[in-house]
Amino acid sequence: ETGVTQSPTHLIKTRGQQVTLRCSSQSGHNTVSWYQQALGQGPQFIFQYYREEENGRGNFPPRFSGLQFPNYSSELNVNALELDDSALYLCASSSPTSGRGNEQFFGPGTRLTVL
Amino acid sequence: AQTVTQSQPEMSVQEAETVTLSCTYDTSESDYYLFWYKQPPSRQMILVIRQEAYKQQNATENRFSVNFQKAAKSFSLKISDSQLGDAAMYFCAYRSAYNNNDMRFGAGTRLTV
Repeated sequence: ETGVTQSPTHLIKTRGQQVTLRCSSQSGHNTVSWYQQALGQGPQFIFQYYREEENGRGNFPPRFSGLQFPNYSSELNVNALELDDSALYLCASSSPTSGRGNEQFFGPGTRLTVL
Repeated sequence: AQTVTQSQPEMSVQEAETVTLSCTYDTSESDYYLFWYKQPPSRQMILVIRQEAYKQQNATENRFSVNFQKAAKSFSLKISDSQLGDAAMYFCAYRSAYNNNDMRFGAGTRLTV
């Protein structure tokens, strides 16, 4: 069974640029959630995708957008990057059949630095 | 809105000793889940233990156990027989049973062993 993978591991961008982060969900999982973890803080929920549709969103502006593909992998896109977007971006996958509470399995994250 | 508070930014423990990490949360809901996650330097979040609010019995996973006080909205993690591999950031998290797409995390506690 393959776990959650994310790419790239690290990324450096400049203000105003656009970035795409990728996540492959664990085998059998149809739900992907994205989180932003600023340095020294806990993760904050960005949004969740379930069967290719957005299924809930946290307090993030529209320049944060996403996609989920038929194989349940997902992308997080951020437009017009700002310095405060520098963070670790975590992806987590889950399935309605992974038990009550829908345990989320996390990937290793992508470290984004905006200069 | 639900909030999770971890009041201990850092804790330290000697090998083989016991340590307790604190977590409080605020919610008006009656059914929810509480989690403790471990994040080692490798950055990957690992689920340590989970508690369902409707269960009165405290969850236990080997050396890890929780003290769940629903009325006090408290959810502490006890690590017994601490090992070097336990050193990590520990995050307490809350998720509603009515809206399972939004997990709220505390700011974390850095545990040194």
